[in-house]
Amino acid sequence: SAVISQKPSRDICQRGTSLTIQCQVDSQVTMMFWYRQQPGQSLTLIATANQGSEATYESGFVIDKFPISRPNLTFSTLTVSNMSPEDSSIYLCSVPPDLGYGYTFGSGTRLTVV
Amino acid sequence: AQKVTQAQTEISVVEKEDVTLDCVYETRDTTYYLFWYKQPPSGELVFLIRRNSFDEQNEISGRYSWNFQKSTSSFNFTITASQVVDSAVYFCALSNDYKLSFGAGTTVTVRA
Repeated sequence: SAVISQKPSRDICQRGTSLTIQCQVDSQVTMMFWYRQQPGQSLTLIATANQGSEATYESGFVIDKFPISRPNLTFSTLTVSNMSPEDSSIYLCSVPPDLGYGYTFGSGTRLTVV
Repeated sequence: AQKVTQAQTEISVVEKEDVTLDCVYETRDTTYYLFWYKQPPSGELVFLIRRNSFDEQNEISGRYSWNFQKSTSSFNFTITASQVVDSAVYFCALSNDYKLSFGAGTTVTVRA
């Protein structure tokens, strides 16, 4: 299955600033997904990123707050903009599974906004 | 719409006890996939198993076993002879269109 390198692993940011999270996959994938996991909660899908097209956002998430780039088939970024303490979460990227396996996830970015 | 329910929020056991985690799902699709993931305190998501909707065979992998019952829309997970290293949050998830819907998760604490 694919291997994902996600950076940064954690960060502490000031409110009002932005943070860009990167995910690099070791193989070409059509779709990449971005999830948010708020403290003590489950994972919620933010958006689906396809190469060469605009990301598709889930209800409750907007492009101005979470702009996504997908410049090629192995890379994507998620930016958390104009951060507030409510954005403190773990953010994870994911790619679809190979046959018989599960979705692969990055190791996550643990974001704290102060 | 898809929904995954993990009714057990937390389970605490003593080492060597068996633990069963419940997962009930809802979907209108006939083709779908079910997953279990483990999230240890370090935060990464570890894939445990994938099952498609046409395969109702139960599966055993070491101390882990899974019981898929389509008739009751359940996909339960049992850890036999639990160990301290099994302490984690376990998520059940459902997918049919490449989007994963996660349950709320069950926190398992295994005490020595």
